[in-house]
Amino acid sequence: QQQVKQSPQSLIVQKGGISIINCAYENTAFDYFPWYQQFPGKGPALLIAIRPDVSEKKEGRFTISFNKSAKQFSLHIMDSQPGDSATYFCAASKAGTASKLTFGTGTRLQVTL
Amino acid sequence: KAGVTQTPRYLIKTRGQQVTLSCSPISGHRSVSWYQQTPGQGLQFLFEYFSETQRNKGNFPGRFSGRQFSNSRSEMNVSTLELGDSALYLCASSFSAVQETQYFGPGTRLLVL
Repeated sequence: QQQVKQSPQSLIVQKGGISIINCAYENTAFDYFPWYQQFPGKGPALLIAIRPDVSEKKEGRFTISFNKSAKQFSLHIMDSQPGDSATYFCAASKAGTASKLTFGTGTRLQVTL
Repeated sequence: KAGVTQTPRYLIKTRGQQVTLSCSPISGHRSVSWYQQTPGQGLQFLFEYFSETQRNKGNFPGRFSGRQFSNSRSEMNVSTLELGDSALYLCASSFSAVQETQYFGPGTRLLVL
């Protein structure tokens, strides 16, 4: 059972454009939703995270939008840069089990010049 | 502060063998989690240790086991290796069992022939 569905699988965006990656979850017990960025040969690195009590969180060029009623959340990368080219994973965990993350399937982002 | 270190970085084994992977968390971190990453199944949670005790376990067979030492270093063991165990094994550490930010190591890439 895939508890966190992520789309699209791959994404090509021009430099300066907006990259949007979407995730949907099924388990209403999830209360922590991080996004991770992974470069080839590296482990995932935390990018930004949100809890369900807010609908949006922004950190620099990265914004998470959260829709609790729809059980969906998305990552927006503004002014996308070639250095943003990586694989992005959404994830979720339940209260008290923050270390047990359920990951989405990943989105490979390519930012072209 | 040094990041999460994993050894070895690469490993080749044959079916039926067993393997032990090691993870040293960030200094001061007491929670260590292990994940398996494959192209087909993505990132899947294996188990989490905190203060030498397994707190959470994913849906993997008993061939996968782990332990944590008093200095928070952790090892995972896979016995009777199967071809499908070929994967990148990632270790992540966090300060406490409930702290949400996990820091991932670079992983150990295991190839089973």
